[in-house]
Order: sequence, then C-alpha cells, then structure tokens
Amino acid sequence: GEDVEQSLFLSVREGDSSVINCTYTDSSSTYLYWYKQEPGAGLQLLTYIFSNMDMKQDQRLTVLLNKKDKHLSLRIADTQTGDSAIYFCAEREPGTYKYIFGTGTRLKVLA
Amino acid sequence: GAVVSQHPSWVICKSGTSVKIECRSLDFQATTMFWYRQFPKQSLMLMATSNEGSKATYEQGVEKDKFLINHASLTLSTLTVTSAHPEDSSFYICSAREGGQRISNQPQHFGDGTRLSIL
Repeated sequence: GEDVEQSLFLSVREGDSSVINCTYTDSSSTYLYWYKQEPGAGLQLLTYIFSNMDMKQDQRLTVLLNKKDKHLSLRIADTQTGDSAIYFCAEREPGTYKYIFGTGTRLKVLA
Repeated sequence: GAVVSQHPSWVICKSGTSVKIECRSLDFQATTMFWYRQFPKQSLMLMATSNEGSKATYEQGVEKDKFLINHASLTLSTLTVTSAHPEDSSFYICSAREGGQRISNQPQHFGDGTRLSIL
C-alpha cells in the first residue's frame, strides 16, 4: 500500500520561513494537497499541485514537487503565530477520488 | 465558496445510544462525500465513501452495520453510529467533493468535525 510520510514536529521563529516536507510512494499520483488543521477543527485546504508542475506559489505559500524523488514540500514565508497548526499532505489515490494522508507535521511558531 | 458544514460539533451520550452526524455542502453540489475518523494526535483514517443515490463504499475493517451512511441528496450525507460504545469515541470528519466524474481536479473540502464522547 501507499505510505505518505512527514516529520512530526517543526519549530520556527516568527518571521522566519517554514519548510514542511512530505514523501510519498505512488509515482502515479496525479494530485497532491496541503491541508492545515487547527486544534479541534476540521481541515482547511491550503493549496494543491498537479503532478505535471514543479512549483506552485500562492501568496506566502510555495509548493515544490520533485517527482523523481517523490518529494513534496510546503514553504511558508514570514511565518506568523497564527500559522501554528498541524499540516497534512495528501495524495490522491490513482484512479479514485480517495486521499491518502500523511502523518501530519505539527508546526509551532515561537514569538 | 466550497463550504462544508458538519453538525453537531460535539456530542456526549450514553453507551448504547445511536448518534447521527450530518454533513452538508452549503454552496455546491457534492456527488461524493467522505467520512473520516481521527484519533488523538494521529492522521485521518478514511472510513467510507458516500455516493449520492447509491450505497456507500466502506474501507476494509469498517463495520457497515455499525456506521450507517446515507447520502440522500447532492448536499447532505449522514453518518449514524449505531449502539455506540466508549471505543467509538473519536473525532469524526466529513469532506465533500464538488461535481461529478467530469470535474476531475476538484479537491475535497472538509467540515469542522464532530467530537463524539460515549460514556
């Protein structure tokens, strides 16, 4: 089966950039997603990237995709305390609309 | 746009009770909705895929008689936890995907989750 892995924790200082990494195992995945989850809440879609793209930028967010290494990253520029949350990457299971979620990275932003 | 409303947000009930959770897409039609379960400090586990007008597709190991899913309209899916017991206590999250098969790149949008506590 597919496994999507993320590091568990990341701590950064306010104003710095955060980079959250994700590795996936199914090279035929077409769409990859980043979601944010705040305590006790559901998931908020941040951005997604199609597999024929290498990079996507949306305001403070930059997604990089390395298909050869099956590596996805999310960079948050000028990280703020409000960015503290759990970040999940997800890949869409090929041939279906189901998502396989990563383990989640808990981002803590220090003031 | 693409708002998903989940209700209730929190429920506490006695063991043996059945609990219904609603998931609504407020500003779009969702032919497919998904139900997830999340344990503390863990990722989301897909329980089932809810298809409008047809039977839900359950993931391996999920009891369909325990977790009843109904997707009677393009904007509403319900999950009923029947005869709930303390081990069913968890955070349940739904998501909805806009449109049909032709719109292939529409992402899933999530509700705010329901925290279920069974005493």
